[in-house]
Amino acid sequence: AQSVTQLGSHVSVSEGALVLLRCNYSSSVPPYLFWYVQYPNQGLQLLLKYTSAATLVKGINGFEAEFKKSETSFHLTKPSAHMSDAAEYFCAAIRPSGNTPLVFGKGTRLSVIA
Amino acid sequence: KAGVTQTPRYLIKTRGQQVTLSCSPISGHRSVSWYQQTPGQGLQFLFEYFSETQRNKGNFPGRFSGRQFSNSRSEMNVSTLELGDSALYLCASSSDPQGSGSYNEQFFGPGTRLTVL
Repeated sequence: AQSVTQLGSHVSVSEGALVLLRCNYSSSVPPYLFWYVQYPNQGLQLLLKYTSAATLVKGINGFEAEFKKSETSFHLTKPSAHMSDAAEYFCAAIRPSGNTPLVFGKGTRLSVIA
Repeated sequence: KAGVTQTPRYLIKTRGQQVTLSCSPISGHRSVSWYQQTPGQGLQFLFEYFSETQRNKGNFPGRFSGRQFSNSRSEMNVSTLELGDSALYLCASSSDPQGSGSYNEQFFGPGTRLTVL
């Protein structure tokens, strides 16, 4: 069965520092992978997605992620954190063949310290 | 184009009652999925509807049910509410123009926060 693991339920960084949120997947077939962001009292917004094209994916708000098959990872990074980046981030996976639901990680809450 | 809308946004019920939540997808989207979000379990898939038919189902008890109408609007119902049903219920829609079930980007609504007392 497919699963997604996010290391660290809470990550705290200083404003201007590097943001690194970790995501590992477990699947016999490399899945499509996604990062979503959730602000308080809101739904999920797609930050970026990997669908078997380029392994380095750029998303909105300066975020990017790299798919590494050898490490079964899809870590999210941003060179310089901004106060507005404080939110909950979810990594998710889906089988490329479809007909299966998105599987989410438990989420990582990002705090940005001034 | 209007996004996914969910009503109501907040709901308070007591144990044993039932509740119905509504989701209106983005115009033209025929697939609607429902998720339950809790602090302990995270985001868990409830079910997916496509063209008025349930296409996928998660691992939830039969108290959780849903349906989809011909205009693609969807409702989910929870009967005999329990304290553990308190959660944010998220709805997501996607286009799936060919009805193949293959991946199409899901767009999420703001959710309905259900509190069971």
